[in-house]
Amino acid sequence: QKEVEQNSGPLSVPEGAIASLNCTYSDRGSQSFFWYRQYSGKSPELIMFIYSNGDKEDGRFTAQLNKASQYVSLLIRDSQPSDSATYLCAVPAANFGNEKLTFGTGTRLTIIP
Amino acid sequence: DAGVTQSPTHLIKTRGQHVTLRCSPISGHKSVSWYQQVLGQGPQFIFQYYEKEERGRGNFPDRFSARQFPNYSSELNVNALLLGDSALYLCASSFLGRNTIYFGEGSWLTVV
Repeated sequence: QKEVEQNSGPLSVPEGAIASLNCTYSDRGSQSFFWYRQYSGKSPELIMFIYSNGDKEDGRFTAQLNKASQYVSLLIRDSQPSDSATYLCAVPAANFGNEKLTFGTGTRLTIIP
Repeated sequence: DAGVTQSPTHLIKTRGQHVTLRCSPISGHKSVSWYQQVLGQGPQFIFQYYEKEERGRGNFPDRFSARQFPNYSSELNVNALLLGDSALYLCASSFLGRNTIYFGEGSWLTVV
């Protein structure tokens, strides 16, 4: 089993709808989780991080963490065409700081106008 | 404030050649990490340096090496380039132990 798994997509969502991106991880000891957005040809950009079970909201973005089920999700409300990108889930390596992240393969999201 | 800066942004090399990629961290950041991102995959950790010391190494061959300078800038060196080394090489910096790492724009390496 891969350490971090994401559905590669592509995921197509109509403009204005909610986009839901999911990520599962294998290490039960993982404490923190990161979501990065990567536009085509660009470097990853941090959107959110979450440490605690439950929801964390930042503007149109909500990260949800369920440690018992070992999944973390990212919801994007009121999706805009500018949200079209690849979304990467990342988990720090065990016994290491946040400098060593294990990434999933990313989910390609397309917002349809 | 300037973000993480990397150079060169794009380069083309021939198999068997050597390449040096450079990175300047955000001012005040002492930790630098290097990642390789092959097309269609997530970034993969290569090295982390803090205060000029290597603190972590990913699963990469010895052809890959790096170092950090007193001003906290860093170089990634790859010897005997293979076609499979073609990728986006990302540098990230952070305050050690703080929440997030910040990526530079990357260096696109094509090996032909």
